[in-house]
Amino acid sequence: QQPVQSPQAVILREGEDAVINCSSSKALYSVHWYRQKHGEAPVFLMILLKGGEQKGHDKISASFNEKKQQSSLYLTASQLSYSGTYFCGTETQGGSEKLVFGKGTKLTVNP
Amino acid sequence: DTAVSQTPKYLVTQMGNDKSIKCEQNLGHDTMYWYKQDSKKFLKIMFSYNNKELIINETVPNRFSPKSPDKAHLNLHINSLELGDSAVYFCASSQESQARQPQHFGDGTRLSIL
Repeated sequence: QQPVQSPQAVILREGEDAVINCSSSKALYSVHWYRQKHGEAPVFLMILLKGGEQKGHDKISASFNEKKQQSSLYLTASQLSYSGTYFCGTETQGGSEKLVFGKGTKLTVNP
Repeated sequence: DTAVSQTPKYLVTQMGNDKSIKCEQNLGHDTMYWYKQDSKKFLKIMFSYNNKELIINETVPNRFSPKSPDKAHLNLHINSLELGDSAVYFCASSQESQARQPQHFGDGTRLSIL
């Protein structure tokens, strides 16, 4: 079951904040976040495991609410280098051992 | 030092041909994957191997045949190529087979079918 990401696209000015959401209709074991720049490979940002933890990576952090089966990615004080498409990948409970990716959120940061 | 490397980077060929894509990782990971990313950027898993054994085989036409000669290599052979096979194919690897491990992606192979 493919997770749903929102919004589909967001345009920011440098220094602004953004939130990208990822939700699933199934119970989740883990949520991954990746960023892909145009013409490049997806790059791993972070993994969140069930337990409602929050993680941070520079000015990018994420939370995982397992009760709501949702994860949110927070980008604060955005930089030009944050531009790209952000994908969440989810692993549903039951040990499927595979990630199912959302359709992505395209983030554009302008000067 | 490229962690996950794929060859070729670009592949342009005619419908009906057979082609192969190669992937190698030097991270010492046990698990490797093939993903297909279509023109709408949807990233979908095709296959996964753990220590040379097939562990994930999604609903993929049997024209696609993966092969893992050892845990550092995973190749993808495609027979009788069709227009719908045009996409970017990404190889990835992770420490273990569970989806709780970060995946490292190669740069992709851009396959165009004429």
